[in-house]
Amino acid sequence: NAGVTQTPKFRVLKTGQSMTLLCAQDMNHEYMYWYRQDPGMGLRLIHYSVGEGTTAKGEVPDGYNVSRLKKQNFLLGLESAAPSQTSVYFCASSYSAERSGRLSTDTQYFGPGTRLTVL
Amino acid sequence: LAKTTQPISMDSYEGQEVNITCSHNNIATNDYITWYQQFPSQGPRFIIQGYKTKVTNEVASLFIPADRKSSTLSLPRVSLSDTAVYYCLVGRSGAGSYQLTFGKGTKLSVIP
Repeated sequence: NAGVTQTPKFRVLKTGQSMTLLCAQDMNHEYMYWYRQDPGMGLRLIHYSVGEGTTAKGEVPDGYNVSRLKKQNFLLGLESAAPSQTSVYFCASSYSAERSGRLSTDTQYFGPGTRLTVL
Repeated sequence: LAKTTQPISMDSYEGQEVNITCSHNNIATNDYITWYQQFPSQGPRFIIQGYKTKVTNEVASLFIPADRKSSTLSLPRVSLSDTAVYYCLVGRSGAGSYQLTFGKGTKLSVIP
């Protein structure tokens, strides 16, 4: 199993350009997530999906769009890139587990990250 | 969302036991406590998860007191390869919802 893969690994954009980051998982996970991580910071959730065809906003969704047309893929789009979107982007996936009658916190499996620079 | 507080950084010598404590005063009844480890230029990796008392796996132990307002990640006999950032997460996800936050984490530096 490849786990979670991200394409591309690095990208440099000019302000105003658009691009799409691809996340793929081969673990048949229902849930998928996109995070960004800035220097010295923790991860902040951008958008997430709880199943094929569904998406939801996270903590910092502005300037990004997502799509989950297939269960194994989760796409993150930047329509008009800005320097403030320079960051490392991580994708993750998980399945939902229930223990002892309570919903547990799903174990998330992360990809290797995409380093994006917007000039 | 439950807010977590953990030390920004810690230093330890090789071979010592390291305990990282996380405070989460407003933890909810259904919240779980999860710890992740992140090496430079990599995505975070799950270490351990618990709800109450003590949980142990091949990598670490997690101690959770009865009031659940804090938790302690214990790494036995650390090595240089344990140098990483450790994140404490409190919350729950599943059934279509997501209520988790990664804080800034604790940067652990293991010294030879």
